[in-house]
Amino acid sequence: EVQLVESGGGLVQPGGSLRLSCAASGFTFSNYAMSWVRQAPGKGLEWVSIILGSGAGTYYADSVKGRFTISRDNSKNTLYLQMNSLRAEDTAVYYCAKDLIAAPGLFDYWGQGTLVTVSS
Amino acid sequence: DIVMTQSPDSLAVFLGERATINCKSSQSVLYSSNNKNYLAWYQQKPGQPPKVLIYWASTRESGVPDRFSGSGSGTDFTLTISSLQAEDVAVYYCQQYYSTPYTFGQGTKLEIK
Repeated sequence: EVQLVESGGGLVQPGGSLRLSCAASGFTFSNYAMSWVRQAPGKGLEWVSIILGSGAGTYYADSVKGRFTISRDNSKNTLYLQMNSLRAEDTAVYYCAKDLIAAPGLFDYWGQGTLVTVSS
Repeated sequence: DIVMTQSPDSLAVFLGERATINCKSSQSVLYSSNNKNYLAWYQQKPGQPPKVLIYWASTRESGVPDRFSGSGSGTDFTLTISSLQAEDVAVYYCQQYYSTPYTFGQGTKLEIK
């Protein structure tokens, strides 16, 4: 059974940093691209970033480019999102999502999410 | 960026009746080399993560009831629920995975009339 468990969310001041983690199990982690998708309170879904299975390719939404860094440790089956220079508009539930092997960007499994609140 | 626009924003349907949600992309999401539309539909219930229902515009995900169907090609797509059940109350999103940034529609809130 595929499981994705996010952690690392919390309250942070504007300009601060946070690192999210996503522990994956139930599939061969290194074979799949993985993504982060966020949802601001009461709002819709926004794709944030994707990393290919090998870790060689990464892509970002313009809204986070230069501030967020996605990475993975295939030996630990864990996905990360390093978030720097956080802004109030980054407040959201952050979901880790597994991409379908034949279609990066198509999310077939999602974690339960971790809430990031950026506020002074 | 490809902009995804859904209509309507909200929809109320009687139990057992048909519900139809439309999605329009600002450019084609049909990849000519494999003739596939890079379009998915997700269902999100309150307090839960999204769940994929349909991908490649019309392929139902395993375990999804057959009352859910997807159609369309190029820039215009439709999600149809043939006979609305109480458990279908949710927000529905379309999403293109043709190119980054992957983008979602704004969502359609489906309720019981």
